[in-house]
Amino acid sequence: QKEVEQNSGPLSVPEGAIASLNCTYSDRGSQSFFWYRQYSGKSPELIMFIYSNGDKEDGRFTAQLNKASQYVSLLIRDSQPSDSATYLCAPAPVGDTGNQFYFGTGTSLTVIP
Amino acid sequence: DVKVTQSSRYLVKRTGEKVFLECVQDMDHENMFWYRQDPGLGLRLIYFSYDVKMKEKGDIPEGYSVSREKKERFSLILESASTNQTSMYLCASRAYEGWTGELFFGEGSRLTVL
Repeated sequence: QKEVEQNSGPLSVPEGAIASLNCTYSDRGSQSFFWYRQYSGKSPELIMFIYSNGDKEDGRFTAQLNKASQYVSLLIRDSQPSDSATYLCAPAPVGDTGNQFYFGTGTSLTVIP
Repeated sequence: DVKVTQSSRYLVKRTGEKVFLECVQDMDHENMFWYRQDPGLGLRLIYFSYDVKMKEKGDIPEGYSVSREKKERFSLILESASTNQTSMYLCASRAYEGWTGELFFGEGSRLTVL
């Protein structure tokens, strides 16, 4: 299994602050990444997909990818209580992993009103 | 809307029982997956299937088997349930799009083995 590391948290930020979620990965062949959000008791849902080095913005969310450092992050600006969830990082399958789709253990985020 | 449907949201079974978890997707996806999710351990891949009747083991296949007789349906089977298989089970599907296709998840099946 390819390694995907995330800080498990919990990460707590006040409402309106920037939340920063980080993910490192071991497979240098990984070209693209998914960020999923999972509310308690619910299934994961896709919030961001990034495949190029640099930043990708979508509303209050910004994904950052640095392939040289094998690092991908998710920034949530103007954090809201509704952002409280677990955030999962997953590299897209590549190479000898076939279509296996692995996730990091997730970071639990709590936004305090 | 894309849809992945898991047959049961909550199940309670006894040790030694045979358990079937069913998953159906309506997106004509080639790939289907079964994960279990436990606190502190994240999502762990049990099995995945890339075509009808084709399957590959994930990281934790012991104690599980799968069946994919039709493209839209992927079943997870616990031949003899044990208490350590109490968990949330998530089914997912994905189109074969190389590195761009996202996973779509079902709502999950919470299994308790007594």
